Amino acid sequence: EDKVVQSPLSLVVHEGDTVTLNCSYEVTNFRSLLWYKQEKKAPTFLFMLTSSGIEKKSGRLSSILDKKELFSILNITATQTGDSAVYLCAVEDRQGAQKLVFGQGTRLTINP
Amino acid sequence: DSGVTQTPKHLITATGQRVTLRCSPRSGDLSVYWYQQSLDQGLQFLIHYYNGEERAKGNILERFSAQQFPDLHSELNLSSLELGDSALYFCASSVGVETEAFFGQGTRLTVV
Repeated sequence: EDKVVQSPLSLVVHEGDTVTLNCSYEVTNFRSLLWYKQEKKAPTFLFMLTSSGIEKKSGRLSSILDKKELFSILNITATQTGDSAVYLCAVEDRQGAQKLVFGQGTRLTINP
Repeated sequence: DSGVTQTPKHLITATGQRVTLRCSPRSGDLSVYWYQQSLDQGLQFLIHYYNGEERAKGNILERFSAQQFPDLHSELNLSSLELGDSALYFCASSVGVETEAFFGQGTRLTVV
């Protein structure tokens, strides 16, 4: 069965700190890995990673995928209180049809 | 605003009843996905439609069904509702079957 595990489950840091969120996966037929940010309601798309070793960057957020070791990390530098959210990692499994398997999320709290 | 519209925003209904949740995808998107998010289970993939046809099924109960109409909007029907069906139901859409999905704001279903 496909599985996505995120760590830590919860993280509390001070504004300005740098954080690293982890996502490991076991998927029969890997196609891509996606990161989402969920604040109050709908998850918001952050990154899609398909190739190993290529960093995707957007402002203070960056992510990289290691297909050999089956994990991805999401880095946030110079954190701000607005970064407080649940960060979700999802893996796209083909198996002849597309579906996303989500991890349980990391709840990130940034204290001023 | 992701461009994905879900109605209603909130729904309270009694056990044993049937409800219909509606989703309008972003303009131009052919794929619609349904997800259930409950406190103890995280985000669970239910079903995926592409251009009116079912493409993938996840952890969807037999009491639940969905369809995508010619105008590409989708409905998720939940019947014989149980207390455990209380959750946030998200719809997401994407252009194709191999592109990132954008989420609606969700419908919060409470079964009493």
